Amino acid sequence: AAGVIQSPRHLIKEKRETATLKCYPIPRHDTVYWYQQGPGQDPQFLISFYEKMQSDKGSIPDRFSAQQFSDYHSELNMSSLELGDSALYFCASSLSPSYEQYFGPGTRLTVT
Amino acid sequence: AQTVTQSQPEMSVQEAETVTLSCTYDTSESDYYLFWYKQPPSRQMILVIRQEAYKQQNATENRFSVNFQKAAKSFSLKISDSQLGDAAMYFCAGGGSEKLVFGKGTKLTVNP
Repeated sequence: AAGVIQSPRHLIKEKRETATLKCYPIPRHDTVYWYQQGPGQDPQFLISFYEKMQSDKGSIPDRFSAQQFSDYHSELNMSSLELGDSALYFCASSLSPSYEQYFGPGTRLTVT
Repeated sequence: AQTVTQSQPEMSVQEAETVTLSCTYDTSESDYYLFWYKQPPSRQMILVIRQEAYKQQNATENRFSVNFQKAAKSFSLKISDSQLGDAAMYFCAGGGSEKLVFGKGTKLTVNP
């Protein structure tokens, strides 16, 4: 079965640089979620989209923005990167809200 | 507001035996869902089992089952016939129509 695809899988950036993370949901899934998991921590919700509209927002810094495109893929844009942004970033998708969320493999971002 | 609490940072079990991981939650939503996710060393988030709050019957998926006590706001995971491949971090999570809120996780070790 098709799974959530995230790219890139690993990303190394320097402080103050910009990064773009991409997420391709499971086919027919119309809802996308972004989570951030720091080392030794639980995943923290950042933002979600349903039918290409932002549906919920969590503890996402103003330096981050995201959108969902017409083909339902989503991108998380991160600017002015800080050392504390180093984390594993998960994208998850679901068949509309209220259904179980399936996670991608994550993008490991390292900021040096 | 929603909170999820896992009071056992670490647990261990002998191969082929049974182990129960605890989780309590609190929510103001009337319609919500509870999940257990497994995160092995690869850090992939794998959905183990899902429970709808309106269902009285406990969910079961092969060797995994839950004990859902709605009045006590308790949602424990029982793993029967534990296998070496069950060793992982287990996260309890709750959600309504949108984001998931995770507990801090329980690290499960399976001893041969």
